[in-house]
Amino acid sequence: DADVTQTPRNRITKTGKRIMLECSQTKGHDRMYWYRQDPGLGLQLIYYSFDVKDINKGEISDGYSVSRQAQAKFSLSLESAIPNQTALYFCATSDLVRNEQFFGPGTRLTVL
Amino acid sequence: QQPVQSPQAVILREGEDAVINCSSSKALYSVHWYRQKHGEAPVFLMILLKGGEQKGHDKISASFNEKKQQSSLYLTASQLSYSGTYFCGTGEGSNYKLTFGKGTLLTVNP
Repeated sequence: DADVTQTPRNRITKTGKRIMLECSQTKGHDRMYWYRQDPGLGLQLIYYSFDVKDINKGEISDGYSVSRQAQAKFSLSLESAIPNQTALYFCATSDLVRNEQFFGPGTRLTVL
Repeated sequence: QQPVQSPQAVILREGEDAVINCSSSKALYSVHWYRQKHGEAPVFLMILLKGGEQKGHDKISASFNEKKQQSSLYLTASQLSYSGTYFCGTGEGSNYKLTFGKGTLLTVNP
């Protein structure tokens, strides 16, 4: 079984719709991250959480919000989706010791 | 600020060597290296911490020059399986938030 899972894996939605991307992990890590990947731009950090009560904005948080429901769950919401939010979204986790980041399989989001 | 990776792309034949560089304008605490194959998630390769250490496993190694805020990834005797996009992620402190470069596309041909 995958250690970091993301749902849905693919989503097509329309401009103005609210959408939630979900991330779950079984690695027992405290730290969780949401990244956005666009071709040629690398991975851009949207939000990160170092524990359930700690939520921080990343480089490109405008238009996004997050919820850390439990240690294992970290959700990303687009309140009113717009076409330039079309991208590949990755969730990642890391522990306190080695700090290597483990990425989920990604969610491909298309906003029409 | 995003670290700068060079080159943006490189094409090799099997058995050739390659070097990928990562440079930051900020003082660094750590540098991470990841590889992403097409359509897949990035996978961790190694982490280097402040102290100028060099790490490696198999034929992939890396160095970190904290004075120059630079790291280099060395791939020797490349294999077809090395193909993919390589990203460096830099951390400015022990809070472990990383900033990733735009990536270097490595293609290894037979």
